[in-house]
Amino acid sequence: QITLKESGPTLVKPTQTLTLTCTFSGFSLSTTAVGVGWIRQPPGKALEWLALIYWNDAKRYSPSLQSRLTITADTSKNQVVLTMTNMDPVDTATYYCAHMIWSGPFDYWGQGALVTVSS
Amino acid sequence: SYVLTQPPSVSVAPGQAAKITCGGSNIGGKSVHWYQQRPGQAPVQVVYDERDRPSGIPERVSGSKSGNTATLTISRVEAGDEADYYCQVWDSSHDDWVFGGGTKLTVL
Repeated sequence: QITLKESGPTLVKPTQTLTLTCTFSGFSLSTTAVGVGWIRQPPGKALEWLALIYWNDAKRYSPSLQSRLTITADTSKNQVVLTMTNMDPVDTATYYCAHMIWSGPFDYWGQGALVTVSS
Repeated sequence: SYVLTQPPSVSVAPGQAAKITCGGSNIGGKSVHWYQQRPGQAPVQVVYDERDRPSGIPERVSGSKSGNTATLTISRVEAGDEADYYCQVWDSSHDDWVFGGGTKLTVL
């Protein structure tokens, strides 16, 4: 049974760096073709893909946000970490992590973590 | 960047069929996936690779694709189908995972 869960701060100030952790179970990020991605959703708005890391440590980033994003994995802890620099109120959103094989779909999702950016 | 276009809303009476479209340039060459998101919940995959259903998704949910448009069809709509629905593709040209703007399905 695959499960994922996001954790991190619920409130960050503008210009700060956000660090979110995705802790998963039921699969290994060392298995060929497995990936874990991050997707966010501002309140009342659409889903937006942010970043993805593969079993071989290959990383992919949203072209529009890649200068602010870093994704890393700790396979021994079954965790994937996303950092986003220079946070702004427009980054207020629910952040999801999700499991995928090769290029998709995102077949298992975490429950999401709401992050508010405010001074 | 690649764009997927969905109607903002679709309304249908119980028992009728709902069709939600997803348009994109050369979408015929891409695999299209669909997600259902009920209020306050995480998205759930309902169709992958245009027309395949994950286990647990009822047969009345189906997907298709023709030309530059993919379609999610929900037959015999029930109150529990009321949700937001998103299409998604992988844009290999830019290594970008793209979501449509979402469609709110309202059951009248």
